[in-house]
Amino acid sequence: DAGVTQSPTHLIKTRGQHVTLRCSPISGHKSVSWYQQVLGQGPQFIFQYYEKEERGRGNFPDRFSARQFPNYSSELNVNALLLGDSALYLCASSPDRVDYEQYFGPGTRLTVT
Amino acid sequence: AQKITQTQPGMFVQEKEAVTLDCTYDTSDQSYGLFWYKQPSSGEMIFLIYQGSYDEQNATEGRYSLNFQKARKSANLVISASQLGDSAMYFCAMRELMDSNYQLIWGAGTKLIIKP
Repeated sequence: DAGVTQSPTHLIKTRGQHVTLRCSPISGHKSVSWYQQVLGQGPQFIFQYYEKEERGRGNFPDRFSARQFPNYSSELNVNALLLGDSALYLCASSPDRVDYEQYFGPGTRLTVT
Repeated sequence: AQKITQTQPGMFVQEKEAVTLDCTYDTSDQSYGLFWYKQPSSGEMIFLIYQGSYDEQNATEGRYSLNFQKARKSANLVISASQLGDSAMYFCAMRELMDSNYQLIWGAGTKLIIKP
């Protein structure tokens, strides 16, 4: 079975632009979470979606938004990019809303110049 | 305040030796979960081991074991017989209920390098 997939793998954007990152969970998984990992730090929780509804939100500005589609794939959108948004964006899926284990994708590395 | 503290930014260990990676946590919840993940240079997070706050036995998964000391709020990862492929970043994380939803709170990580 395919694992969690994310696209694109790398992305370079300019300050002020908008970006959309995509994530496909493991087949049968209904929960998707997004994390931001700045270089040299641990991941920071951004969002969790379960059954197409937002179930959790971390301490991120409104420039960050996300949604989950009927097939449980998800998009993370970031508007008005700042240099500080440069990071590895990780997506994780799990079968249910609360699980012992989350399965992570390879991440999207975003560079804002 | 830091909820997850990993005090070792980096460690060098000789191949085949055992290694302990430290993690302390801070929570007022009675029900919580503790995780260890491995992140190779490729970037993907790999789940290693889980310990629930009500579990009486220390969790073990192959060469990985979790030394859970609830009163001290510590959850150290022990890797036995280290291998070159164990070289990676290691993160401790805690699942905590926040605003009626569960979130994973992560430490800053420990970079482990196994020497041949």
